[in-house]
Amino acid sequence: KQEVTQIPAALSVPEGENLVLNCSFTDSAIYNLQWFRQDPGKGLTSLLLIQSSQREQTSGRLNASLDKSSGRSTLYIAASQPGDSATYLCAADGVSNFGNEKLTFGTGTRLTIIP
Amino acid sequence: KAGVTQTPRYLIKTRGQQVTLSCSPISGHRSVSWYQQTPGQGLQFLFEYFSETQRNKGNFPGRFSGRQFSNSRSEMNVSTLELGDSALYLCASSKGQGSTGYTFGSGTRLTVV
Repeated sequence: KQEVTQIPAALSVPEGENLVLNCSFTDSAIYNLQWFRQDPGKGLTSLLLIQSSQREQTSGRLNASLDKSSGRSTLYIAASQPGDSATYLCAADGVSNFGNEKLTFGTGTRLTIIP
Repeated sequence: KAGVTQTPRYLIKTRGQQVTLSCSPISGHRSVSWYQQTPGQGLQFLFEYFSETQRNKGNFPGRFSGRQFSNSRSEMNVSTLELGDSALYLCASSKGQGSTGYTFGSGTRLTVV
């Protein structure tokens, strides 16, 4: 059974700093690893998708890496801004107990950028 | 292209009633997954439908059920509502064949009083 862990649960940093969010997963047999952002009371917005054959993906100030062998992914945010404040969730897309594709979420990191 | 549409956005129901939520996936996507999100439990997987068949199921009681239509739209039903069913219900759309990622709707906020 896939388990996804995100540490820390909460993080506060001053505006302008670079930061790294961590995600670990127990089953390396995944199709891809996806990072999402969630603002309070809202749905999930996809940030980056890293397919199992890839090592990293970049979008603007965001860079996500994937190391399947160690079961780890990181999300790097450069030059943080107050608008980056949100909860960040990683999710591993793998195979369920029913033998079908299934997305398993971590518990998230609540990020606060201090102006 | 149009995103994932969930209706209604907000809903208030009385304990004991039943409720039906709707999710229209992205055109061409055949998989719809449903999640319940509460402050205490985080995101919990309910079930997934692919081409009108339920192919994954989470650990929720039988009061929670769903279905998918031939146009891939999905509905989720909760019968005999309890106060603890108050939550944000999210659906996710995907092609359902690996490596393509998921797109989420804005959710339906259900309040049971």
